[in-house]
Amino acid sequence: AQSVSQHNHHVILSEAASLELGCNYSYGGTVNLFWYVQYPGQHLQLLLKYFSGDPLVKGIKGFEAEFIKSKFSFNLRKPSVQWSDTAEYFCAVNHAGRRALTFGSGTRLQVQP
Amino acid sequence: SAVISQKPSRDICQRGTSLTIQCQVDSQVTMMFWYRQQPGQSLTLIATANQGSEATYESGFVIDKFPISRPNLTFSTLTVSNMSPEDSSIYLCSVEDGENTIYFGEGSWLTVV
Repeated sequence: AQSVSQHNHHVILSEAASLELGCNYSYGGTVNLFWYVQYPGQHLQLLLKYFSGDPLVKGIKGFEAEFIKSKFSFNLRKPSVQWSDTAEYFCAVNHAGRRALTFGSGTRLQVQP
Repeated sequence: SAVISQKPSRDICQRGTSLTIQCQVDSQVTMMFWYRQQPGQSLTLIATANQGSEATYESGFVIDKFPISRPNLTFSTLTVSNMSPEDSSIYLCSVEDGENTIYFGEGSWLTVV
């Protein structure tokens, strides 16, 4: 069975700092990878996704993620965070044999003004 | 993208009672999923709702406790039966749009007292 690990549970940054959130998955085959964001009191929104092709994918709000197959990783990055990026971030994975998403435990990002 | 509406958005329920959550999608979708997000936790898949057949439940979730209906390609219900305080969670409906992107409803926040 696949699993997803997010090593950073709680990250505190100042505005304009750079962000990198780690995500590793365990599955031997071809996967689809996603990052979702959950702002306080709001529903999950898709930030970006990777299916195939260029391993560097760009999403909404200036976020990007890089798929490194050899490391089974899909880390989320943003060069300069804003206070409005304060939220919970979830990495998720699925594959052709299992369409439902498996989620990581989430990373709570707190950006201080 | 798919627009998902869930009802109720919030409810406070007495222990021992049951509550049915509705999920309506603005387009026909093949895959619908129900997740639970307990306070401060990540998302856990309850079941995959298949149109025209019984739902497929994940380990730890059973049909008697979480009966699901999927009468057509735009609608599903999840019932939380014989509720206890441990069932206090956000219950989320999600759908796959046919292009391998999964969207989420705003969730139904249940508190069992």
